[in-house]
Amino acid sequence: QKEVEQNSGPLSVPEGAIASLNCTYSDRVSQSFFWYRQYSGKSPELIMSIYSNGDKEDGRFTAQLNKASQYVSLLIRDSQPSDSATYLCAVSRLFGNEKLTFGTGTRLTIIP
Amino acid sequence: SAVISQKPSRDICQRGTSLTIQCQVDSQVTMMFWYRQQPGQSLTLIATANQGSEATYESGFVIDKFPISRPNLTFSTLTVSNMSPEDSSIYLCSAPGGGETQYFGPGTRLLVL
Repeated sequence: QKEVEQNSGPLSVPEGAIASLNCTYSDRVSQSFFWYRQYSGKSPELIMSIYSNGDKEDGRFTAQLNKASQYVSLLIRDSQPSDSATYLCAVSRLFGNEKLTFGTGTRLTIIP
Repeated sequence: SAVISQKPSRDICQRGTSLTIQCQVDSQVTMMFWYRQQPGQSLTLIATANQGSEATYESGFVIDKFPISRPNLTFSTLTVSNMSPEDSSIYLCSAPGGGETQYFGPGTRLLVL
């Protein structure tokens, strides 16, 4: 079992719809959870971080965390073509400056 | 957020040679991290570079192949030694940028022939 798993892609979503990206992790002591966006040929860009159970909203993005189920998700509302990218889920065992374990990534395409 | 630069941005190297990648952060940080992203794959941590101590390597990565230096709180280097085509990857450094978040440099794209 991989430490961090993401729903297999690629995922295609019509423009204006909600894109839902899922991630599960195996290490129960994980404390910090991140979503990175990576455009082709570019380095990962942090878009959301979440540390507590529940929802965290930032603009069109909502991260959801359920530690009991070891599940974290990212919702993108009103999807735009510029959201087309690979989304990487990353998990850290501790708070603070700790190494990240990445999932395999989900490639998202927004269809105009 | 932290501003991170890397040099070189890309290189083409012959097998058996070595390449040193530099990473510069615009603020002082205790830890810096080196990742590898093989073609079409996600990121894998190579090692954590701690200022004032030896780097900590992840399983599958060894110091002889990937020596790391950390001479001060804003700078680190990663050397890819005795390269083979399997070392063709993007190499990324990262550093904390405030709170619990990490930010990445632009990456070094390495092709080994």
